[in-house]
Amino acid sequence: KNQVEQSPQSLIILEGKNCTLQCNYTVSPFSNLRWYKQDTGRGPVSLTIMTFSENTKSNGRYTATLDADTKQSSLHITASQLSDSASYICVVSAHFTAGNNRKLIWGLGTSLAVNP
Amino acid sequence: DAGITQSPRHKVTETGTPVTLRCHQTENHRYMYWYRQDPGHGLRLIHYSYGVKDTDKGEVSDGYSVSRSKTEDFLLTLESATSSQTSVYFCAISEGSGQGEAFFGQGTRLTVV
Repeated sequence: KNQVEQSPQSLIILEGKNCTLQCNYTVSPFSNLRWYKQDTGRGPVSLTIMTFSENTKSNGRYTATLDADTKQSSLHITASQLSDSASYICVVSAHFTAGNNRKLIWGLGTSLAVNP
Repeated sequence: DAGITQSPRHKVTETGTPVTLRCHQTENHRYMYWYRQDPGHGLRLIHYSYGVKDTDKGEVSDGYSVSRSKTEDFLLTLESATSSQTSVYFCAISEGSGQGEAFFGQGTRLTVV
């Protein structure tokens, strides 16, 4: 069964600290892995998209890693800011051979609170 | 929000009434999607469109229908709203299917009483 599991479910850190969020997946066949940030009351916003051959991708203070062998990804946030408080969602795209159709499998997200 | 507008943003309706949510894009993207987001669930795909008048079902399509008569508009209709359809609905657009970046609207909070 195609699944995406994220940990921890929630996390509280102090402003300025670093943190790492985890994502494990059992999705096949794999197409790409995305991390989204979702602020309360808003739609998800893409942070990174990584294909099978990419191990690391950065977007400002956000760095995502991908280990396709172990089917694990992480999102590292450096020098956290109050505005980083949000839900971070891992999404894996499965590539079906029928046509060009791909399916997104969404994790439940990690709720991050950055406190002053 | 990448030129995506959802309307209405909030709606309260009664059980059994039809409801239509609208998604409008100005990006000329080929693919449009409707998702719902509920506590304890990841975003779940309701329906999607891969072109004008070309639509297909997602994983939770029962009780919903869609229409796309123009590239820029994708309508989601609840034929007869039920309390289980109380949710936050998101529209998304993308140029390709699950390959490139998907952009999301601000969401519509629908309450069925």
